[in-house]
Amino acid sequence: GQQLNQSPQSMFIQEGEDVSMNCTSSSIFNTWLWYKQDPGEGPVLLIALYKAGELTSNGRLTAQFGITRKDSFLNISASIPSDVGIYFCAGRRNNNAGNMLTFGGGTRLMVKP
Amino acid sequence: DAGVTQSPTHLIKTRGQQVTLRCSPKSGHDTVSWYQQALGQGPQFIFQYYEEEERQRGNFPDRFSGHQFPNYSSELNVNALLLGDSALYLCASSTGGGGARETQYFGPGTRLLVL
Repeated sequence: GQQLNQSPQSMFIQEGEDVSMNCTSSSIFNTWLWYKQDPGEGPVLLIALYKAGELTSNGRLTAQFGITRKDSFLNISASIPSDVGIYFCAGRRNNNAGNMLTFGGGTRLMVKP
Repeated sequence: DAGVTQSPTHLIKTRGQQVTLRCSPKSGHDTVSWYQQALGQGPQFIFQYYEEEERQRGNFPDRFSGHQFPNYSSELNVNALLLGDSALYLCASSTGGGGARETQYFGPGTRLLVL
């Protein structure tokens, strides 16, 4: 099925470093979402973006909705060990037929203390 | 306030069998969506139920069917199981207005292994 192109697939960084990951699509989405998934759990919403060009922060996390509506990025500043997990981007088209989410393949983040 | 709950947590079946997975939405939510997450991949949308009807469907065969009950809980049924159906099945609930700011909250999932 269709998935968004998410990169990098994995990252291994030192505690305190900044992290950047992005997501691209061949088609337009009206909403971009970033989720984090820990082992044995479902995805948890981190940031939601509703407007092209929008830049939104949630603590040390910052995400942007691309102007073309075909991409988004997520930055994590000053990483800590609990940031470890898999980060997923998701797009949504917001039509009357339903609000299905289309997910990227995920970025696995590992943080070395 | 209980979040989204799913049962069972784990399940082992053999090829050709049928399976039923269950989901109770977060309090106040009336819409349930189901996703399949294969190992190492992102979730893929199966279908969404609202007002006890299937409102939207992803690219999954008819072997995958569902139901929503009057109390908004939902079941996912998979018939004639294949090895490739082995995955984590996630349920997400939301409010059914379908507005642009609708948020889907995910349950912990049911891990299905088909042997």
